This record gives sequence, C-alpha cells and structure tokens, in this order.
Amino acid sequence: QVQLVQSGAEVKKPGASVKVSCKASGYTFIGYYIYWVRQAPGLGLEWMGRINPNNGDTSNSQRFHGRVTMTRDTSISTVYIELSSLRSDDTAVYYCARGIGSIQQLDVWGQGTTVTVTS
Amino acid sequence: DIQMTQSPSFLSASVGDRVTITCRASQSVSNFLNWYQQKPGKAPRLLIFAASSLQSAVPSRFSGSGSGTDFTLTISNLQPEDFATYYCQQSYITPRAFGQGTKVEIK
Repeated sequence: QVQLVQSGAEVKKPGASVKVSCKASGYTFIGYYIYWVRQAPGLGLEWMGRINPNNGDTSNSQRFHGRVTMTRDTSISTVYIELSSLRSDDTAVYYCARGIGSIQQLDVWGQGTTVTVTS
Repeated sequence: DIQMTQSPSFLSASVGDRVTITCRASQSVSNFLNWYQQKPGKAPRLLIFAASSLQSAVPSRFSGSGSGTDFTLTISNLQPEDFATYYCQQSYITPRAFGQGTKVEIK
C-alpha cells in the first residue's frame, strides 16, 4: 500500500541542525511532489515547502528565511528536510505528505517526526 | 501571501447534529481548497479536495462547497468519531497556507 515512513524523534540544542527523512513506498516515487508541514505543540498546521522528487526542484516558505533545505535520493525513494539554526520555537511534529492531482491535495501523510529543541 | 481564516475556532455539538465550518481566503483561490481532519497524536487525514470532491473512503456525511474566497465544510449527522480538529488549506499558490483550525467537541 501507499505509505510514507518518517525517521525517528530528534532532540537538538539551539543553533544546531536537524535532518528528517521520509521514505516512500507503494507508488512511483518520482511521480508525485512531497510536501513538508509542521505542527508546534497545541498549535495548527504550518506549510513549510515542497520538493519535486523527479528533478529535485524545491519551493519553500519564506518564513524560514533560508533555514530549510529539501533534498531527495531517488535510489532509495526518500526525501529529506533539513532545518538549520534551530530555535526553541522550532520544536514541533514534522510531517511529510504526498501531493496529488491538479489541485495537489495531500492524500497520504507520514506518521510525523517529533523534533525537540532544548538546551 | 494568502491568509486562511476559519470560523468558529471551537464548537460544541451533539451526536446527530449538523455542523458547518467556514473558511475564508484573503484572495481568490478558485476551487483550490482542501479540508483535513486531525485527531490528537495523529497525522491529518484528507476529507475534501477541490472544494467539494469527497476523498475516497470518506463517509458521505462530509460535504464541501464554495469557490473563490468563501468555503464551507458540512458534517451532517455528526458521529462520535467525528470529534476532531478540522483544517482548510489553499493549494492555489505558494505558500499553501492552512487555516488555524476548528475544534469540534462533544456537548
């Protein structure tokens, strides 16, 4: 079945970087954009960006001021998001999701990865 | 950037009720509007895409309508498993913002 499986929880210090992976299975990896969405504790969903696994093109939210890097490894059907210069307010659950169709609705989601930034 | 505003932020309802949630975009998003349901500790689940199309396996008591800037999600005959938080999202232009969410709780 179609699924996205994310890497495990991370604990980081302020100023460090974190890299979260999202492994796709059950469909043609290069055929669908992957999006990243995060959710801080008790808050709503925040759109971070997207990557085209076919050619690596990315589009990020300007809110992260260049701190976000998205990459992919087609040999293992995996996309990555790296967030640098971590702050305490980057503490959140990070989700990857597949975009589908002309509307690019997010039809399949990863299980989420908790990133905690603490000194 | 397009801002998405949901109302209400919180609502209390009973099993069997008909519930309506509104989402307003700060500029037109045509029909590029999606609705998600999220339960505590779980990833969001797609309910409605393209403003009014029901995602596969989603019960028909969920429906969506609207275009341009004003959209609604309606849940008819509310069931116990429907108590959750609902988010709209525009997928018209980047950044593809979400609304702030509407929490539906049991009265």
